[in-house]
Amino acid sequence: KAGVTQTPRYLIKTRGQQVTLSCSPISGHRSVSWYQQTPGQGLQFLFEYFSETQRNKGNFPGRFSGRQFSNSRSEMNVSTLELGDSALYLCASSLGGPQRSDTQYFGPGTRLTVL
Amino acid sequence: AQSVTQLGSHVSVSEGALVLLRCNYSSSVPPYLFWYVQYPNQGLQLLLKYTTGATLVKGINGFEAEFKKSETSFHLTKPSAHMSDAAEYFCAVNKGYSTLTFGKGTMLLVSP
Repeated sequence: KAGVTQTPRYLIKTRGQQVTLSCSPISGHRSVSWYQQTPGQGLQFLFEYFSETQRNKGNFPGRFSGRQFSNSRSEMNVSTLELGDSALYLCASSLGGPQRSDTQYFGPGTRLTVL
Repeated sequence: AQSVTQLGSHVSVSEGALVLLRCNYSSSVPPYLFWYVQYPNQGLQLLLKYTTGATLVKGINGFEAEFKKSETSFHLTKPSAHMSDAAEYFCAVNKGYSTLTFGKGTMLLVSP
C-alpha cells in the first residue's frame, strides 16, 4: 500500500497570507489527524477528522481549520499567517476506531516558512 | 489526563554500545504507548507499540521496549547502536480517537 502523502513538501509565505496543505491517507483509512511540530513546542495535536467530521480539536486559534472529503483526503488551512506559524505540519492516518490501540501512520510533512 | 515524559533531550552513545531512551507515562487508565523515530527532514516512523498482553514489545530495527506498570515506564532499548540509528525518538500515548500526546523527544547521537 502507498503511504501517507502530503503536498506540498515545502512552502514559503509572508505574514498575513493564508495557506492550504493537503494530505492523502493510506487507502482504507478513514481518520486523518494533523500535528504541528516546532523546536520550542514539540509535536502538538491540531485536529482530527473522521468520515468528514471533526471529532477532536487541539488548543489552537481559529485561524487553523481543516476539512475532510468523502475520499478521506484532508486539507488544513491557516489564515492570516504569523511568524510563529513556521513549522513542520504532519498528517497522520489511521483506521479511526475508538480503540486506543489504533496506530497512526505519518506522512513526510509540509515545511512551512513564514517570512 | 494522559501524558508522557522523556528524560534527556539528547543521548550520546558509541557505535556498538547499548541504547537506552527513557519514557515515563502518566495515565488514569491503562495506557497504549508508542515509540516513533524521526530522521532529518522526514515524518515519523512507528518503531513499536504496547497495547495489552506481553510487556516486552519488539519493534523494527532491533529496538524493543518494556512496559513496567510499577515504574510507569516504557523505556526503549537496543543492544548495539548503529550509526544509522542517529535520529530523534518520540514516546507517545494514545488518548483515543486518533489523538496522540507526544513527549518532547530525545535526540540520539551515535559516534564511531
